[in-house]
Amino acid sequence: QVQLVESGGGVVQPGRSLRLSCAASGFTFSGFGMHWVRQAPGKGLEWVAMISFHDTETHYADSVKGRFTVSRDNSRNTLYLEMDSLRAEDTAVYYCAKELYEGTQRSIFISWGQGTLVTVSS
Amino acid sequence: EIVLTQSPATLSLSPGERATLSCRASQSVSSYLGWYQQKPGRAPRLLIYDTSNRATGIPARFSGSGSGTDFTLTISSLEPEDFALYYCQQRASWPLSFGGGTKVEIK
Repeated sequence: QVQLVESGGGVVQPGRSLRLSCAASGFTFSGFGMHWVRQAPGKGLEWVAMISFHDTETHYADSVKGRFTVSRDNSRNTLYLEMDSLRAEDTAVYYCAKELYEGTQRSIFISWGQGTLVTVSS
Repeated sequence: EIVLTQSPATLSLSPGERATLSCRASQSVSSYLGWYQQKPGRAPRLLIYDTSNRATGIPARFSGSGSGTDFTLTISSLEPEDFALYYCQQRASWPLSFGGGTKVEIK
């Protein structure tokens, strides 16, 4: 079955960088678009970034544009989120999510990881 | 950016009652609206996509309707496991966005 396992979270000082990973299994990773969605403590869901299945298209939330970079390594079945210039307001649980349909971009999140907590604090 | 406003913020109901959750978009999203359920400490789960399509394994008591800017998630008869948070999400345009959520709690 589909498994998505995030890692790389932790406590980081404001202005520093962190890279999250999402290891995928149970499906043809190279065939599906992938997303990052975050949730600040006690708050709602916020979509963060998307990368297409063929790695040629990316989109970002305005709140992270220019600071975060989404990428993927289809040979390793792994999704990444490189986060630079971190701010206190980036503190959240970060989820990776898989698209519903293969080979197309519909932004319907059918499978989610368990999340990894990022805390930005001095 | 499309803003999604969910109402009410909290819905207090008893098991067996009907729940009606609303999601209003700041501009038309056509039919490109979905609903997710989230329980404490868990990842969200897809319930409904593109207004009215139930995801695999979702019980028939969950249904969605609407178009344009006004959408509704209906739970026909609440089961104990349905008490949770519900979010709507639009995929009509970038950036994608979620509503603020509706908490369905036991009365």
